[in-house]
Amino acid sequence: GAVVSQHPSRVICKSGTSVKIECRSLDFQATTMFWYRQFPKQSLMLMATSNEGSKATYEQGVEKDKFLINHASLTLSTLTVTSAHPEDSSFYICSARAGDSRFYNEQFFGPGTRLTVL
Amino acid sequence: GDSVTQMEGPVTLSEEAFLTINCTYTATGYPSLFWYVQYPGEGLQLLLKATKADDKGSNKGFEATYRKETTSFHLEKGSVQVSDSAVYFCAYTGSSNTGKLIFGQGTTLQVKP
Repeated sequence: GAVVSQHPSRVICKSGTSVKIECRSLDFQATTMFWYRQFPKQSLMLMATSNEGSKATYEQGVEKDKFLINHASLTLSTLTVTSAHPEDSSFYICSARAGDSRFYNEQFFGPGTRLTVL
Repeated sequence: GDSVTQMEGPVTLSEEAFLTINCTYTATGYPSLFWYVQYPGEGLQLLLKATKADDKGSNKGFEATYRKETTSFHLEKGSVQVSDSAVYFCAYTGSSNTGKLIFGQGTTLQVKP
């Protein structure tokens, strides 16, 4: 149990276009989802925290108008990179936290999405 | 503030060698502690966890003990394999009540045959 999927796994787009990344919890309800960004050979940088049905909370320095997060249901959160530029190229990883005492304080991570902006 | 410090890598070992990756954290209260592993090109997988002081998390031959007195959660394995080559991240739930994870910088392990 506790599987998180991301789609797409890899995307290449032109500069100026928008890209949507989906994060789904497949076998549990995720009360909270997190979006991370990872640069090559570096740690994960938390971008934002989203709770189902409410606005995302962004970390300092993350542009909320550029990285739109929607958490419309207990199993789906989306991250849209608007007007993408080459500097947005990165590995984006989502995680989900279950509202279930079996998984106390544990986050389950998706496999990541490699975004390349040309 | 909240932070995690891991030993710098890369760590290069021969197969069957003993592994230790140090991890210390700064936190108030009683956070939960985790080790995650990331294989090339993939997301993170939970390796093991401990939720209270003196707990020992273990999985696939890896172990780590929650030491509150030294605020440490060092990762150990008695005999590493080539397939253990990956990046290992220490993490803990920060002081806020949001469930946010605070990650260390990651330690690359390379195991040579």
